[in-house]
Amino acid sequence: DTAVSQTPKYLVTQMGNDKSIKCEQNLGHDTMYWYKQDSKKFLKIMFSYNNKELIINETVPNRFSPKSPDKAHLNLHINSLELGDSAVYFCASSGRTGYHEQYFGPGTRLTVT
Amino acid sequence: ELKVEQNPLFLSMQEGKNYTIYCNYSTTSDRLYWYRQDPGKSLESLFVLLSNGAVKQEGRLMASLDTKARLSTLHITAAVHDLSATYFCAPYTSGSRLTFGEGTQLTVNP
Repeated sequence: DTAVSQTPKYLVTQMGNDKSIKCEQNLGHDTMYWYKQDSKKFLKIMFSYNNKELIINETVPNRFSPKSPDKAHLNLHINSLELGDSAVYFCASSGRTGYHEQYFGPGTRLTVT
Repeated sequence: ELKVEQNPLFLSMQEGKNYTIYCNYSTTSDRLYWYRQDPGKSLESLFVLLSNGAVKQEGRLMASLDTKARLSTLHITAAVHDLSATYFCAPYTSGSRLTFGEGTQLTVNP
């Protein structure tokens, strides 16, 4: 059973296009996250939702818009893609109980040409 | 803003040797996580350190936390090739936020 899943795994697109990445978790967690990992492996939080409410909104271009239709899903829509958006995007989730550790999805490698 | 520094960033070591990765962070945090990432893969949780003086061990890896010094260490004992990966520390701050270090890329050579 996949705990945190993302689609697509790879995404190659041209500058100026709009694309979406989907994330789903079946862990029953309340909180979900989007991270961006650049080519140097630096991992930075972009957004977080707790039970469909936005709780972390880092300084990212407003071309990036997260949407959480329910607490098991968190999607990321990116408008007008730029070369600098090329990266691996990870979705993660965490629960209210236990150690609050974050469980990561497999990642989506986005390449903008 | 919390800043996290790991060192070294790159570590090449021989099998059988011991080494320590350091994680320093700039503001108060009472909880810290260590993750492992294999090339082209996702992040896997290794350790959760929940309080000052916490020590956790799993196989050849041992992690510790000193919240007063704002320092966590990941000690590798008798390294083997399978430990080759990138290791990230991530202190926890309020609002369910983790701030990741730059990562330590470990290569264990035969």
